[in-house]
Amino acid sequence: QVTLKESGPGILQPSQTLSLTCTFSGFSLSTYGMGVGWIRQPSGKGLEWLANIWWDDDKYYNPSLKNRLTISKDTSNNQAFLKITNVDTADTATYYCARERGFDYWGQGVMVTVSS
Amino acid sequence: DIVMTQAPLSVSVTPGESASISCRSSKSLLHSNGITYVYWYLQKPGKSPQLLIYRMSNLASGVPDRFSGSGSETDFTLKISRVEAEDVGIYYCGQLLENPYTFGAGTKLELK
Repeated sequence: QVTLKESGPGILQPSQTLSLTCTFSGFSLSTYGMGVGWIRQPSGKGLEWLANIWWDDDKYYNPSLKNRLTISKDTSNNQAFLKITNVDTADTATYYCARERGFDYWGQGVMVTVSS
Repeated sequence: DIVMTQAPLSVSVTPGESASISCRSSKSLLHSNGITYVYWYLQKPGKSPQLLIYRMSNLASGVPDRFSGSGSETDFTLKISRVEAEDVGIYYCGQLLENPYTFGAGTKLELK
């Protein structure tokens, strides 16, 4: 059974760094072809893909945020991470991680609010 | 970036009838390997998105066969036959062909 769960700070101030963790089970990021992605969704709005990390540590970022994003993984502990630097109110959203087999499994999402 | 354009933005359907949602991409989603990298997701109210259709026409695991996907290189359709109450939500198409992955704005399905 594949599950994913996101965790994060909930609220942070502008200019801070947002650190998110995706803890998953039912698959391994050491398996050939496996990947995890991060997608976010501002309240009442659509989906925005942020980044992917693959079994071979290949990483892909959305160019619109590339300089601010860092994705990483801890294969031993079945976790993937996303950091977003210098956050702004525009980064307020629900952040999802999903298994990148077409994003066939999603976490429940974690709400992040950026506010002074 | 590849732009995904969905239509209509909302649709109201009588239970038991069928519904179709269109999605158009600004670039061909057909890879040289023969696979068309368009996906369909449903986000039920208050829930995470769930995969319905992958690679244009393949039904995801556990998804009722009332759902089907079809299309060409740039024009795609999600069809729901015999709409049920559990189908209410926002439907998104997405392209996973190239970076950055992009999604349509969503189509809200409601019941009459």
